[in-house]
Amino acid sequence: RKEVEQDPGPFNVPEGATVAFNCTYSNSASQSFFWYRQDCRKEPKLLMSVYSSGNEDGRFTAQLNRASQYISLLIRDSKLSDSATYLCVVNMRNSGYALNFGKGTSLLVTP
Amino acid sequence: ETGVTQSPTHLIKTRGQQVTLRCSSQSGHNTVSWYQQALGQGPQFIFQYYREEENGRGNFPPRFSGLQFPNYSSELNVNALELDDSALYLCASNTLEGKMNTEAFFGQGTRLTVV
Repeated sequence: RKEVEQDPGPFNVPEGATVAFNCTYSNSASQSFFWYRQDCRKEPKLLMSVYSSGNEDGRFTAQLNRASQYISLLIRDSKLSDSATYLCVVNMRNSGYALNFGKGTSLLVTP
Repeated sequence: ETGVTQSPTHLIKTRGQQVTLRCSSQSGHNTVSWYQQALGQGPQFIFQYYREEENGRGNFPPRFSGLQFPNYSSELNVNALELDDSALYLCASNTLEGKMNTEAFFGQGTRLTVV
């Protein structure tokens, strides 16, 4: 079983739609949680960190449920420029900054 | 741009050869991590260097080795290349201060093709 699991998609949504991505992680010792965005043939870039209290950054909302070992990302009012792969990332306790990446969920926003 | 630079950007090697990939970390960062991203997969952690010492290693064989230099730049060496080593190799730098980690910034990657 992979440590971080994501639905690979692809998710095809029209502009303005709301889309939600889910992610589960297997190791309860996981300490930090993130969503990264990766454009085609580019490097991953941090989209947002995820906190137990939930956090919002503009159109993006991230939630963490430690009991269920579940992370989510909600994108409201999708833009064409949101088209990318979204990577769920977990940092293990005592592993420095070694990041465990999910396989990524592909999003295509269409006009 | 992140300030993390990798070279070369693309590389083609023959099975059995050896390759060295290079990474210049962002100014002020003391930690470099290397990741392998196969097509259609998420990046997989290879190893991390902190102040010139290996500070963690993922599930990769010993033919994957690395170095970090006093200026915190880093090299990834892969010996006896196999076809499955074809991937995007990503370098990420950040600062490790005690138990506090700053955000990791990724370089643009080196795309390695083994034929």
